[in-house]
Amino acid sequence: DTGVSQDPRHKITKRGQNVTFRCDPISEHNRLYWYRQTLGQGPEFLTYFQNEAQLEKSRLLSDRFSAERPKGSFSTLEIQRTEQGDSAMYLCASSLGRMQPQHFGDGTRLSIL
Amino acid sequence: EDQVTQSPEALRLQEGESSSLNCSYTVSGLRGLFWYRQDPGKGPEFLFTLYSAGEEKEKERLKATLTKKESFLHITAPKPEDSATYLCAVQAGTSGSRLTFGEGTQLTVNP
Repeated sequence: DTGVSQDPRHKITKRGQNVTFRCDPISEHNRLYWYRQTLGQGPEFLTYFQNEAQLEKSRLLSDRFSAERPKGSFSTLEIQRTEQGDSAMYLCASSLGRMQPQHFGDGTRLSIL
Repeated sequence: EDQVTQSPEALRLQEGESSSLNCSYTVSGLRGLFWYRQDPGKGPEFLFTLYSAGEEKEKERLKATLTKKESFLHITAPKPEDSATYLCAVQAGTSGSRLTFGEGTQLTVNP
């Protein structure tokens, strides 16, 4: 069990640019989640995959956000035309089943200049 | 809408001084309540899952309890390495698989 891995750990970009983050879940976990966390707040749910199917999306996930999990293994989260308000820590988690604990990676911290 | 409120926002203890953190929740059909620990710059680290009122879980100096309206995280004789933000989250029957988190309690244990 190598844990959930996220890349990159930090991303600094200019407003208006596109960014993409990658998440590698724990190998036997079929459920993968994306959350966003701002300073002093708890994580907020963005979206969830079971295998390659995206089953839930939050209202927070605007049209500029897209997530994929093409082969049911790793996942990517893309933000197009970044805005100042997108600055946050983007966390990925995975789990074995719906009521099983979600295990988190250490996140990608996004800073928008 | 599911709601989770944690108190206090911050807690400062002396080493060995026991205390409790509170997590109050309002959900439609609780499926599970989760406690996590988060260190600065890291992702949340799973501690406990509680599924039904009356359930208790223990791990080292931590003990989590659950009622129909709230959960407590009891910290017995804390050490400086217990300093972290403690997050509570709920998973509800009407909310699919998502976790709804509280804002956390920032715990500092002074030597």
